[in-house]
Amino acid sequence: GNSVTQMEGPVTLSEEAFLTINCTYTATGYPSLFWYVQYPGEGLQLLLKATKADDKGSNKGFEATYRKETTSFHLEKGSVQVSDSAVYFCALYLPNSGYALNFGKGTSLLVTP
Amino acid sequence: GAGVSQSPSNKVTEKGKDVELRCDPISGHTALYWYRQSLGQGLEFLIYFQGNSAPDKSGLPSDRFSAERTGGSVSTLTIQRTQQEDSAVYLCASSLASLVGAYEQYFGPGTRLTVT
Repeated sequence: GNSVTQMEGPVTLSEEAFLTINCTYTATGYPSLFWYVQYPGEGLQLLLKATKADDKGSNKGFEATYRKETTSFHLEKGSVQVSDSAVYFCALYLPNSGYALNFGKGTSLLVTP
Repeated sequence: GAGVSQSPSNKVTEKGKDVELRCDPISGHTALYWYRQSLGQGLEFLIYFQGNSAPDKSGLPSDRFSAERTGGSVSTLTIQRTQQEDSAVYLCASSLASLVGAYEQYFGPGTRLTVT
């Protein structure tokens, strides 16, 4: 079946450090890929997305590139801020395989001053 | 405009009681989704509505779970005879859905259900 695997958290970084959160997927077909972020006490928000191979999604300094050859969609940011502390979810969507997003388990990020 | 709202934000109930969770989607969004977020389990899809009908109920974990949507807007998720394993955060999302999956899903803040 279709699934998303994210690196285990929590991830703790100092402010201005480089961030990578790994995400790999298994899918029968060509999914659209998403990163959602959940700030403390808030609902999930779409951070970025990519709909086909080699697409790069970007938003708020975060980037992720859809790599079909490695079935990956790793999230990166060059310099994290304390305000980036949140839980990050990788997700995929495949047409004709249901109506819902298929989420990973989430990776908690804590950025310290 | 207003985002997706859910009520209550927190609910504590005794095992065996019934609970109702409410979701108000963004106005004009025809698609509505319920997910469950359990500790360490990520987000689990429960049910999808397009308008008032539910073409996909495949994620409902048992027949104790049901949901309805009226007027193409508000949705209620009902859990009967709650069990401790039902404790989780229940999330609602809505989206424009002329092409399912092509549009961003907007999530509410969730209802944290604790069954004692």
